[in-house]
Amino acid sequence: DVKVTQSSRYLVKRTGEKVFLECVQDMDHENMFWYRQDPGLGLRLIYFSYDVKMKEKGDIPEGYSVSREKKERFSLILESASTNQTSMYLCASRIRVGMGEQYFGPGTRLTVT
Amino acid sequence: QKEVEQNSGPLSVPEGAIASLNCTYSDRGSQSFFWYRQYSGKSPELIMSIYSNGDKEDGRFTAQLNKASQYVSLLIRDSQPSDSATYLCAVEGDSNYQLIWGAGTKLIIKP
Repeated sequence: DVKVTQSSRYLVKRTGEKVFLECVQDMDHENMFWYRQDPGLGLRLIYFSYDVKMKEKGDIPEGYSVSREKKERFSLILESASTNQTSMYLCASRIRVGMGEQYFGPGTRLTVT
Repeated sequence: QKEVEQNSGPLSVPEGAIASLNCTYSDRGSQSFFWYRQYSGKSPELIMSIYSNGDKEDGRFTAQLNKASQYVSLLIRDSQPSDSATYLCAVEGDSNYQLIWGAGTKLIIKP
């Protein structure tokens, strides 16, 4: 079974803090994704990575950056957290481009106060 | 702008009946189609994928794809209260390999 894990289920941070969200997958998948999900807005893609050290902006990259130094790990960084970044953050992985479904981690509910 | 449309619901169905969930998409070149289920506060989990026109059955679930009409549906037979969740439709185009997500349909199964 594919397993995607995220570093925290719940996180509370203050405005202006730098926040790191970690995601690890154990199935040697090439592609990894970061989404945020808000009520009424559905899943929105923040960044994705086709492979190690590769990254592409998604639909809403502003205020975020990512890092993928190892194939199994994809980190999302909020450089200076703001209250409008309070959301559920979901990491996903996929074998490779155009192949199969995305597998999701359990999600991190981030609250910025 | 490539789009995937779903009725947000809620769709209320009696226990034991057939629940029918629908999804339309705008990219005629789309090749892969996925249905995910998401319980409140949890992450999406895959129910079914479908790649060619017609029906695909897996237990109580049947996915139906009609590329000419740009329409994909999910039928749930013998609906159970545990099927109450939000169902997300996702479509992969042939040009950028990302999934385009619908906003989801909330399904409520009434005992």
